[in-house]
Order: sequence, then structure tokens, then C-alpha cells
Amino acid sequence: GAVVSQHPSRVICKSGTSVKIECRSLDFQATTMFWYRQFPKQSLMLMATSNEGSKATYEQGVEKDKFLINHASLTLSTLTVTSAHPEDSSFYICSASWADSNQPQHFGDGTRLSIL
Amino acid sequence: KQEVTQIPAALSVPEGENLVLNCSFTDSAIYNLQWFRQDPGKGLTSLLLIQSSQREQTSGRLNASLDKSSGRSTLYIAASQPGDSATYLCAVRGNQFYFGTGTSLTVIP
Repeated sequence: GAVVSQHPSRVICKSGTSVKIECRSLDFQATTMFWYRQFPKQSLMLMATSNEGSKATYEQGVEKDKFLINHASLTLSTLTVTSAHPEDSSFYICSASWADSNQPQHFGDGTRLSIL
Repeated sequence: KQEVTQIPAALSVPEGENLVLNCSFTDSAIYNLQWFRQDPGKGLTSLLLIQSSQREQTSGRLNASLDKSSGRSTLYIAASQPGDSATYLCAVRGNQFYFGTGTSLTVIP
């Protein structure tokens, strides 16, 4: 089946640090990747949708200058949390899919980000 | 805007019981519905995908149904096992993916 690898799995860093999270589709070419944020005991909140070779589409309320998304190839998308602060601490999950709306999403294992 | 709700929010059953998880959505204009399992601190594992034209899908002890016109889906788990303990999420795909609030399942040995 389709495998999505997300790294790192856990990050602990000081306030003001920028953190990059990678999302890779290992055995298929993902035309579309999604970035989600999940707060404790809550469901996933879509942050942005990224299509290979174009700018990401951000959901309302998500700061694009704060959460930089790059989708340079069909197998890699990155999310950079710039100048992270404690309120950015959360669980970030990526998923990959094809542009065809009938296709499923395949998820990475998530990244636990803790800002001290 | 699409809203996806899952009932119950939490469920605890003894091992061996059959159980049903419910998912409802407000906008029936969807491409598909997907059921996921999430273990604590982990990502999501896809369980079943039902296309909008389908009524149900089966995989092992899992059976998912879809009634698009009424905005409902159910996930049936037969002969539950302690290893089934996890949070179960449903998601519908319209213009984007919309996730439900999840059902936290505990299967007691």
C-alpha cells in the first residue's frame, strides 16, 4: 500500500527556533499533500493544501508567513514553522493523495512539536 | 460548510462484542468517505474507503456502510479485540477533507 513518511517524529526546541517537518510519499507520486494540526483530544484541523509546483492554499486563520509550505516534487512536501512559540506546540500530520477526488488519503505518523 | 459528527465520543465494551460507530455529515455532495484509526500520539491508518456511488465496504472484521442521501455512515466491528482500542475517525471528501470528532474505543479484555 501507499506509504507516507514524516520526519522528525518529535521535536523539542526553544522559543524563536524555526522547525522544518518533511513529508515524503515513498512508493507513489503525490500530486497533493495536506498539512493538519491536531490539538489534544480533538480532531484534525486542515492547515493547508499543497499541490506540486504551485503555492499552497491556506485555510482561513492559518498564517502563511508563519507556516511555510514547500512542495517542490511529487514525493516531498515540507512545513516550516518559523520563529516557533509555545502556542505552536501541537501534533502536526501530513497526508498525501492524488488530485483525483476519488482517491484516498495516506497519512504520515505525525510530528509532536514542543516549544519551550 | 460541511460538518462531520461522530457518535458516541467514547465507547467501552468487553472483548468479543460487536459494535457500531456512527458518522454523520451535513452536505451529501461528497466524493468519498474514509474511516481511519488513530493510536495515541500516532498518525492515521486508513481502514476503509467508500466511494460516493458505493453502499458498503468490508475488510476482515470491519464493515463500513454509506447512506449518502441521509448523510450517514457506520463502521461495524465484529468480535472486538483489545487491539482494536484506538480512536476512530471518519472523513468525507468534498472540496477538501472534513474530519469527524472521533470515537475513542476501549475494548476490555
